[in-house]
Amino acid sequence: GQQVMQIPQYQHVQEGEDFTTYCNSSTTLSNIQWYKQRPGGHPVFLIQLVKSGEVKKQKRLTFQFGEAKKNSSLHITATQTTDVGTYFCAGYNTGNQFYFGTGTSLTVIP
Amino acid sequence: NAGVMQNPRHLVRRRGQEARLRCSPMKGHSHVYWYRQLPEEGLKFMVYLQKENIIDESGMPKERFSAEFPKEGPSILRIQQVVRGDSAAYFCASSPSGLWSNQPQHFGDGTRLSIL
Repeated sequence: GQQVMQIPQYQHVQEGEDFTTYCNSSTTLSNIQWYKQRPGGHPVFLIQLVKSGEVKKQKRLTFQFGEAKKNSSLHITATQTTDVGTYFCAGYNTGNQFYFGTGTSLTVIP
Repeated sequence: NAGVMQNPRHLVRRRGQEARLRCSPMKGHSHVYWYRQLPEEGLKFMVYLQKENIIDESGMPKERFSAEFPKEGPSILRIQQVVRGDSAAYFCASSPSGLWSNQPQHFGDGTRLSIL
């Protein structure tokens, strides 16, 4: 069945270091969305990518959608303590089914 | 600008009781989704509803779980005869259009269900 895996599952970084999470789907996705969930909070929509090879930036965050539309990445430059949380990718497959990834939990050590 | 409203925030039930979780979507949103999240895990899709219709319930357990989104009032996720394994956070999300329009989903704060 459809799987959307994220690696790593957990990541601890020193404040100021960079962070990347990778999202891999077993099938082609029509789009990819990224959400952030703070500890004890709810998922909050960050961005959506639709085109093959698309790259979008939000301040220190860079999002990429792979050429084959089966993978994506989120890169954070110079992490801050406010970046703490779990980052989920999510996407629609060609059958219009929506799947959340397994998530990457980011801890930033001050 | 009220967001997605879920209540209660916390719900405690004993084994065998019923749990009712409510979700009012954002104003102008007619599509509702329910997810379950176990501690330290991701979000598992349960059901997608429009007003008076269940569109996709492929993630719902076959027994004890049901969902509705009536013409008037909030969407309800109902769990009958709860068991310890039902303890989880249940999130509701809404969007102005359905899954097929690739809209982002707006989440409520969730209901944390604890079964004693």
